[in-house]
This record gives sequence, structure tokens and C-alpha cells, in this order.
Amino acid sequence: QVKLQQSGPGLVKPSQTLSLTCVISGDSVSGAYSAWNWIRQSPSRGLEWLGRTYYRSKWYNEYGESVESRIKITADTSKNQFSLQLKAVTPEDTAIYFCAREAPTLIDLRMDVFDIWGQGTKVTVSS
Amino acid sequence: EIVMTQSPLSLPVTPGEPASISCKSSQSLLHDNGYNYLNWYLQKPGQSPQLLIFLGSNRASGVPDRFSGSGSGTDFTLKISRVETEDAGIYYCMQVLHTPPSFGGGTKVEIK
Repeated sequence: QVKLQQSGPGLVKPSQTLSLTCVISGDSVSGAYSAWNWIRQSPSRGLEWLGRTYYRSKWYNEYGESVESRIKITADTSKNQFSLQLKAVTPEDTAIYFCAREAPTLIDLRMDVFDIWGQGTKVTVSS
Repeated sequence: EIVMTQSPLSLPVTPGEPASISCKSSQSLLHDNGYNYLNWYLQKPGQSPQLLIFLGSNRASGVPDRFSGSGSGTDFTLKISRVETEDAGIYYCMQVLHTPPSFGGGTKVEIK
């Protein structure tokens, strides 16, 4: 059974860096068919995809346009986890942050579903 | 970015009655392989979204058969044949064909 366990601070000061970690059990962060995503949810923006990391002979990262200049997602194979760093945060980055696995369901192995989600971390940006 | 539009915003339902939620995408979600890359989620208060339907019409493991998904291209529907009290929450559609993946704004199902 695949599980994702999130950790990280619930309060970050403006202009600082938001850092969250998602520990994977039951799957591998460097697995050949999955990707590892960060999504956030706020009343003003709804559910917003932030980015993903995945391994296909080498590491790839893709980021959402709204955060592209500030975001970094990294994987740590030794701890089987992946992390989110969001720099220069403002109160608009206040949200619940989720990690999620993206996996294939069809034989062609194209990823087609976000099937496993972390428990969510409420992050408030405030001084 | 693909824009996903859900309706209605809110849906009060009596237990035992059917419910239907619409989701429209700004571009087709039909892949060359014949599958629609559209998924449905239910988020209950204080919880993460849970997968209900994937690839337009396939129920996820453990999802009751009163839930069904249909549609193709840009128009999709989630139906609950007979609503139960445990079905209360916010339902989201999500497209995964195009990057970035994107979500609908949600439909809040309230039990009368």
C-alpha cells in the first residue's frame, strides 16, 4: 500500500523560503513509471498544480507558470522522499499544500491519474 | 493552460435521490488511444482529495457503483445514482492530458 507522509512548518515569514517534504512508502521516488507532484489549495486559487519531479534514466522537473521562477522540487533517493522549496513567499502563498503520486493505469504506461495524496500541510505566510 | 469549468457550484440533494455534476474543458481531453484523460475526485472536510473516477468512466478501487462517469472530448458528467449521506463534500474534475494538469472549481454536494 502506497502512502505519502508530509512534513514541514505551518508558518513561514514573508520573503522567506517555504520548505516541505513528502516521504514515500510502498513505492520508489525513482520508479520508472510514476511522477511526484506538489499541489496547493486556497480559497482564492482553488486547487493549483505547482510542479512535479520524475526519473526516466535521468531526473526531470516541470513547474507551473505561476511559481516557475520561485520553485524547486528535488528528490532524495536515499530517504525515498521528495521536497518542495518555494522562495520569496508572500501572504498569497498561504494555502494547504499536498504532495501526490501520478501513475499510469493503462498498459501504455502513460501517467494518467493522481491516485495517492499526502495528508496536506496548512502553510500560513505571516510575520 | 486548460480551463476546467464545473457546474453547478452547489448541489443540495435528498438522500436516495440522484445527482449530476457537469465538467467542461477548454480543449479536448480525448487522447489518440481513445481514452479521455479526465478524473473525478471527492474531497471531504479536512481531508485530501480521493480518487473516484479515472479516464473518464472507470471507478477507482473501492468506489461504490452508484458513482459513474461519462462524456468525451470537452464535456463530462459525474452521476450519483442514489445519494447517501457519506457522499457529502466537494467534487472536482481534473484533466491530466495537457501540462499543466488543471482542476475544476469544485461542486459542493450538500445533503438535505
